Amino acid sequence: GQQLNQSPQSMFIQEGEDVSMNCTSSSIFNTWLWYKQDPGEGPVLLIALYKAGELTSNGRLTAQFGITRKDSFLNISASIPSDVGIYFCAGLKNSGGSNYKLTFGKGTLLTVNP
Amino acid sequence: DGGITQSPKYLFRKEGQNVTLSCEQNLNHDAMYWYRQDPGQGLRLIYYSQIVNDFQKGDIAEGYSVSREKKESFPLTVTSAQKNPTAFYLCASSWTSGRSSYNEQFFGPGTRLTVL
Repeated sequence: GQQLNQSPQSMFIQEGEDVSMNCTSSSIFNTWLWYKQDPGEGPVLLIALYKAGELTSNGRLTAQFGITRKDSFLNISASIPSDVGIYFCAGLKNSGGSNYKLTFGKGTLLTVNP
Repeated sequence: DGGITQSPKYLFRKEGQNVTLSCEQNLNHDAMYWYRQDPGQGLRLIYYSQIVNDFQKGDIAEGYSVSREKKESFPLTVTSAQKNPTAFYLCASSWTSGRSSYNEQFFGPGTRLTVL
């Protein structure tokens, strides 16, 4: 099946540092989504990207939809302790008619040291 | 308040017992999904439903069953046939549309199932 390669698997940074993570795939996606999951909770949608080359910001978060439609990155600027969690990328692809399948990366565990 | 609710938050069951996890949404979404999450893994799709009284198997449907009798409800039953049922289960919902921008999935808070 389709796979998303998400890297890095984990990151340990100091408060105030910038963070970058990315996802790549051998398949083309219609939409890229970035979610954050706090421990024991469900993922929360952070950013959605709909067009190749699109660059979108949400506060300190910036994400881009790769021009080839096979990759995406997420940047977090000036990290703070509440940024701690697991960040997932997900690619949405049409599987026929109005059917869309969401494929997830394995996540990036972010730890921020105060 | 619109959203997705899952209950209970924690569930303990003895091996060999069936157990049903609840998922309810009041977002008026057409589609609902069940995922399983294991430590260090991404989310794997168990079942999904795009319309009432219809559902399809996902990537890991063996040992699970679902029903979709109402638009707002999509319960998941973990049967005794599921060989490794201990996991974190997540329910999600979305609109359905020919445009991908309407198919973003929104998640509930999850149910942690532990089989003893």
